[in-house]
Amino acid sequence: EPEVTQTPSHQVTQMGQEVILRCVPISNHLYFYWYRQILGQKVEFLVSFYNNEISEKSEIFDDQFSVERPDGSNFTLKIRSTKLEDSAMYFCASRDASYEQYFGPGTRLTVT
Amino acid sequence: QKEVEQDPGPLSVPEGAIVSLNCTYSNSAFQYFMWYRQYSRKGPELLMYTYSSGNKEDGRFTAQVDKSSKYISLFIRDSQPSDSATYLCAMSEFLRGNTGKLIFGQGTTLQVKP
Repeated sequence: EPEVTQTPSHQVTQMGQEVILRCVPISNHLYFYWYRQILGQKVEFLVSFYNNEISEKSEIFDDQFSVERPDGSNFTLKIRSTKLEDSAMYFCASRDASYEQYFGPGTRLTVT
Repeated sequence: QKEVEQDPGPLSVPEGAIVSLNCTYSNSAFQYFMWYRQYSRKGPELLMYTYSSGNKEDGRFTAQVDKSSKYISLFIRDSQPSDSATYLCAMSEFLRGNTGKLIFGQGTTLQVKP
């Protein structure tokens, strides 16, 4: 069964460093998303991406964040200068023209 | 008022019990309603989705949506210890031009005891 994959599973970085989180969405999906979940809190929407551009972003998704689909399979989230409060689980999700979003296993980002 | 409210629990039931999980919401524009299961430090796994009001059944799981009350439910029949997880409700407007972003509830932690 097709699934969303994410790498790495755990990333530890120092405050101020850049990180890139990688996702491979399900192959025939057209809509891509990043969400995050701070420990013990709700899953929160960050950004949606369709037709090679951002279609919506939340207040959390400030200038420190960017997304890219560099080729036909990968979808990346970059955080330019990480802060302590960026520590969270980051989930990639994708969907086709239906309404069912499928999530990856997540990347646990720890900023020290 | 929060957009989506869900009692975090924990909810503890004996094996074989019927479990009822619920969410309320405030945004009347929500059209699509989903239930995800999440194990500790894992990604949300889609269990069921429904459009607008009504019921949907899949095996031991039944999802109900009452848009007039802004209330959704997930019922689990014959609960098993393997059902122990956190259950997340999520909703989307999906209007024309909407991106389909999901708004999640807090999640309810369920423990099914053998």
